[in-house]
Amino acid sequence: DTEVTQTPKHLVMGMTNKKSLKCEQHMGHRAMYWYKQKAKKPPELMFVYSYEKLSINESVPSRFSPECPNSSLLNLHLHALQPEDSALYLCASSQALIGGDTQYFGPGTRLTVL
Amino acid sequence: GENVEQHPSTLSVQEGDSAVIKCTYSDSASNYFPWYKQELGKRPQLIIDIRSNVGEKKDQRIAVTLNKTAKHFSLHITETQPEDSAVYFCAAALWNQGGKLIFGQGTELSVKP
Repeated sequence: DTEVTQTPKHLVMGMTNKKSLKCEQHMGHRAMYWYKQKAKKPPELMFVYSYEKLSINESVPSRFSPECPNSSLLNLHLHALQPEDSALYLCASSQALIGGDTQYFGPGTRLTVL
Repeated sequence: GENVEQHPSTLSVQEGDSAVIKCTYSDSASNYFPWYKQELGKRPQLIIDIRSNVGEKKDQRIAVTLNKTAKHFSLHITETQPEDSAVYFCAAALWNQGGKLIFGQGTELSVKP
């Protein structure tokens, strides 16, 4: 399997809801990433996990909570989001956390916060 | 920190023409430079990358050149086709910042039949 998969594809939630995004890869990669992307803008890094440990948190608000239960799975828990959090949320993975390792992106979850 | 500038922001070419997108980076320690293509509603897909020990790399109609002295790298697409229409992002990564990609702002390429 050479793909990163993400579920759900689309998500609509109210500001008081709690939801989770899921990302999975079976390429044996040990680094996984969450990005946020607004229309026609570059992906913005949110979190990086290496060997299931949080390595980078780009000062993301606590209403976003990442979790890496095992080396193949990455979750992003959402709570009390704001309308400005509406965006495409992309997961990516790479073999290891080395500058120069190719990152492969999943198809993303398009999130709308009402 | 590292900063990547990308030009132009939009580019329109006729089918069959060449397209060139340029990026400059600020940190001379950057060692990896990927290019991603993102079609509307789709994921960013790696189309080509280059490492700092190489000056040029080619894959069919796509080539990337790197000038480390001037700290800039360019994407060249020859014989453009309508399916090349997409947003293209360049990026740079530092060897000592563990996987963190710094992206350019993107170029919206339109290939007119």
